[in-house]
Amino acid sequence: GAGVSQTPSNKVTEKGKYVELRCDPISGHTALYWYRQSLGQGPEFLIYFQGTGAADDSGLPNDRFFAVRPEGSVSTLKIQRTERGDSAVYLCASSLYGQETQYFGPGTRLLVL
Amino acid sequence: GEDVEQSLFLSVREGDSSVINCTYTDSSSTYLYWYKQEPGAGLQLLTYIFSNMDMKQDQRLTVLLNKKDKHLSLRIADTQTGDSAIYFCAESPLTGGGNKLTFGTGTQLKVEL
Repeated sequence: GAGVSQTPSNKVTEKGKYVELRCDPISGHTALYWYRQSLGQGPEFLIYFQGTGAADDSGLPNDRFFAVRPEGSVSTLKIQRTERGDSAVYLCASSLYGQETQYFGPGTRLLVL
Repeated sequence: GEDVEQSLFLSVREGDSSVINCTYTDSSSTYLYWYKQEPGAGLQLLTYIFSNMDMKQDQRLTVLLNKKDKHLSLRIADTQTGDSAIYFCAESPLTGGGNKLTFGTGTQLKVEL
């Protein structure tokens, strides 16, 4: 596709459930980022992939959060035992390796009841 | 750690200039960015400036960087109602190939007729 896509656009789940959020980067972009944006805040970095490997996962808040990118393209952010505090918009971005411009997807709005 | 601060709200009349300010703390910042976010939409990159520059102009947008004071501003000339959005300042060190962005809390720009 022409831009970064994310699915689902909205996800409602119950506390304690497991969720997966998907990101499809721009074709050919080797770098992929996940950010989380809470209400009224700026996005906060979660994890950065270069190819298939997580080059920097320092922003993941705890071990309930995990992300994969097995073929160096699509990435999945996985959240176990969701908590109400996980409610936020999860943004994905991609860029060419070494390039400064990140292109963001529309985000997945997660609501944990 | 890195910190980026912005004022929360700015209101201007259509046709006037808007100036959105940002301060940052990370002295190793290499790139500084301005993103625009409209309701329900993802982040749109407006412009960026490399830290060895003082100013960058792009059509109605002018970015000024005072590296000594770690102050960044975005001026929008002839502000239009379509410019109403939240504007985020972001910085990155761009080391090791990654480009982890640190965002401010965002400035909501309201353009009145």
